Amino acid sequence: KQEVTQIPAALSVPEGENLVLNCSFTDSAIYNLQWFRQDPGKGLTSLLLIQSSQREQTSGRLNASLDKSSGRSTLYIAASQPGDSATYLCAVFHRNSGGYQKVTFGIGTKLQVIP
Amino acid sequence: EPEVTQTPSHQVTQMGQEVILRCVPISNHLYFYWYRQILGQKVEFLVSFYNNEISEKSEIFDDQFSVERPDGSNFTLKIRSTKLEDSAMYFCASYLYEQYFGPGTRLTVT
Repeated sequence: KQEVTQIPAALSVPEGENLVLNCSFTDSAIYNLQWFRQDPGKGLTSLLLIQSSQREQTSGRLNASLDKSSGRSTLYIAASQPGDSATYLCAVFHRNSGGYQKVTFGIGTKLQVIP
Repeated sequence: EPEVTQTPSHQVTQMGQEVILRCVPISNHLYFYWYRQILGQKVEFLVSFYNNEISEKSEIFDDQFSVERPDGSNFTLKIRSTKLEDSAMYFCASYLYEQYFGPGTRLTVT
């Protein structure tokens, strides 16, 4: 059974700091990994998608890496801003026993960037 | 840019009543999902739908729940007899190469 863990559960940093959020998964047979952001009371916004054949993806100040063999992904946020304060979730896409897609989410890391 | 839409944004219902939550996924997507999030807790998978049938469901998705894609565009989640513990945000999502979420429906059961 696929399990996704995100560490730390919460993080508080001063504005301008670079930071790393971690996501680990127990079964390396994934085909995609997607990072989301969730603001309080809102839906999930896609940040980055990494396919299993890729090692990393970048979008602006965000960089996500994937190491399938070790079951790990990191989300790097450069020069953090107060507007980055949110909960960050990772989701891994894999197959169920019937060959259909299955998605497993981590519990998320709650980030607070202090001005 | 295409998006996933959900209606209503907020639904209040009495315990024991039936509710139908509606979603319009992105039209050319292949998989459709329902998730729920109880206030302050994690996003929980309920069910996924592929090729007009359920492809995966969680333990939460018991006989009280059902999903339909009645007309090829709408995707609905029905809760037959709501309980207090069904109060949550319900998110619909669709997937082609990545997953896109709707804004959610807040369900309050009184």
